[in-house]
Amino acid sequence: GNSVTQMEGPVTLSEEAFLTINCTYTATGYPSLFWYVQYPGEGLQLLLKATKADDKGSNKGFEATYRKETTSFHLEKGSVQVSDSAVYFCALLRDDKIIFGKGTRLHILP
Amino acid sequence: GAVVSQHPSWVICKSGTSVKIECRSLDFQATTMFWYRQFPKQSLMLMATSNEGSKATYEQGVEKDKFLINHASLTLSTLTVTSAHPEDSSFYICSALDVTGGNQPQHFGDGTRLSIL
Repeated sequence: GNSVTQMEGPVTLSEEAFLTINCTYTATGYPSLFWYVQYPGEGLQLLLKATKADDKGSNKGFEATYRKETTSFHLEKGSVQVSDSAVYFCALLRDDKIIFGKGTRLHILP
Repeated sequence: GAVVSQHPSWVICKSGTSVKIECRSLDFQATTMFWYRQFPKQSLMLMATSNEGSKATYEQGVEKDKFLINHASLTLSTLTVTSAHPEDSSFYICSALDVTGGNQPQHFGDGTRLSIL
């Protein structure tokens, strides 16, 4: 079936550190892939997306590249800020349904 | 951009009470909406797909008599948690399918935190 696996958190980093959150997926065909962010007490916000192989999604300094050969969509940011502290969900779209990973909680220390 | 409004944002009620949560698409018509449930520090689990003018489609393991979904118009879907008990306490999030070709497949509400005493 379709599923998303992402690294477990929490991930704790110092401000300005480099961030990687790993995400791999299992799906038939080539689904669209997404990263969502959830700030404390809030709903979900789309962070970035990629719809086909080798696409790179980017937003607010975050990037992720759709890697078909490794079925991965790792999230990266070169220099994190305290305001990036949140829960990040990797997700795929199949038949109009979004399937989420378990989420990775990110703590950025000043 | 498209906005989905969810109401209420927080509700606390006694065990045995039924609670209704509304999900509205504010500037577009949503023939399909989705209801998710999120337990603390866990992912979103799809509960059901709500289709305007027809019965909702529930995911495996979700009690349809417990979680009543009504999608009576193109801009409103409601989730009613019937005879709620403490184990129903959770964060419920709705989303609306975007068929306008926008930037994202679904637009999410801000969620409803339900606490059953």
